[in-house]
Amino acid sequence: NAGVTQTPKFQVLKTGQSMTLQCAQDMNHEYMSWYRQDPGMGLRLIHYSVGAGITDQGEVPNGYNVSRSTTEDFPLRLLSAAPSQTSVYFCASSYSPVSSGNTIYFGEGSWLTVV
Amino acid sequence: GQNIDQPTEMTATEGAIVQINCTYQTSGFNGLFWYQQHAGEAPTFLSYNVLDGLEEKGRFSSFLSRSKGYSYLLLKELQMKDSASYLCAVTMGYGGATNKLIFGTGTLLAVQP
Repeated sequence: NAGVTQTPKFQVLKTGQSMTLQCAQDMNHEYMSWYRQDPGMGLRLIHYSVGAGITDQGEVPNGYNVSRSTTEDFPLRLLSAAPSQTSVYFCASSYSPVSSGNTIYFGEGSWLTVV
Repeated sequence: GQNIDQPTEMTATEGAIVQINCTYQTSGFNGLFWYQQHAGEAPTFLSYNVLDGLEEKGRFSSFLSRSKGYSYLLLKELQMKDSASYLCAVTMGYGGATNKLIFGTGTLLAVQP
């Protein structure tokens, strides 16, 4: 049972570098989201997708790009990393919209430090 | 805009009962989740309330009042393993299904012997 797989788990970047956080799920879920969590904070929604080819912005989309070319994958791109993007990133997926109350599967998180 | 408020920290004693409150002001409210999150781990699902009232699941219960924009999570017979952050999260959207989930800042609960 792979569930939601995030890579890498840990990453250190220099300011201005670009990188992609990978997220893959093997449950054929249409709905996927990316969140960031800063110390002492709840999760904040960055971008979400309701199916292949369809994405939308969440609360804190600036500095991040997403695409959804397949049902399985939902990568998060940082085009020019900034220290303010130092955070823990969680990818999540679900079979139906979150408003249905059905189970949301979270990845294990990716710890990103920008120096 | 939206605003979700929870107390930052709470302390309780093993075996006791604790109530964690959450108030929200959002547009297009659909329902409210409670999640538990241990340090360094992903959140895990506790409850989802759509209708007013109390829902009980074992030691955990969750209450929702849509008219008051208020929810609480009630934890009974506290155990040391219940020491964690508890996150309130609201689903938002107009006209039906939504994938937009907004979290509060979380309440860090410390259970003492």
